[in-house]
Amino acid sequence: AQTVTQSQPEMSVQEAETVTLSCTYDTSENNYYLFWYKQPPSRQMILVIRQEAYKQQNATENRFSVNFQKAAKSFSLKISDSQLGDTAMYFCVHKGGGGADGLTFGKGTHLIIQP
Amino acid sequence: DAGVIQSPRHEVTEMGQEVTLRCKPISGHDYLFWYRQTMMRGLELLIYFNNNVPIDDSGMPEDRFSAKMPNASFSTLKIQPSEPRDSAVYFCASSFGVGTEAFFGQGTRLTVV
Repeated sequence: AQTVTQSQPEMSVQEAETVTLSCTYDTSENNYYLFWYKQPPSRQMILVIRQEAYKQQNATENRFSVNFQKAAKSFSLKISDSQLGDTAMYFCVHKGGGGADGLTFGKGTHLIIQP
Repeated sequence: DAGVIQSPRHEVTEMGQEVTLRCKPISGHDYLFWYRQTMMRGLELLIYFNNNVPIDDSGMPEDRFSAKMPNASFSTLKIQPSEPRDSAVYFCASSFGVGTEAFFGQGTRLTVV
């Protein structure tokens, strides 16, 4: 079974700063997918960024980028120029590639952006 | 598309009553997932379907929980009888194929008193 570990329950940074959220995972598969989802107070689950394990290049979406270290089973999220609207719970998620394994969620990191 | 639609948004019921949560996935998606979110346990996968067929229900807590998907556009999660410890937010999500992201509904906040 896959496990996803987020070691930072809560983080707080000033607006416009850069912040990195950590994530490690455990899997026996060689082909899989990793995601970061954001859950603001509205409760809606929103996809932030996606990474295929077979791709070496780190995914980037505007201010959001990842550092994917496959050998270390590490998948961190960097948010540049943080904004107040980035305040939310962030979940690191693993999805198996051999079939449609359900998404395995980490416990989440509560990110607070201070004005 | 309107996205994944769940109903109701909020449900308050008394212990022992039957509760039915509903989900309409995004049209064309072939996978449907039911998750439960609590403060203590985070997000847990309860069950998922592929082409309306249940694939893995190992996350269903006990026999009081059941899920159905009679067609590609509708699924239900039923709890009978409900208990206070079932209080949580229940999410439905759908996706297309392998490796694509799942799209989530707004969730149903269930409170069992």
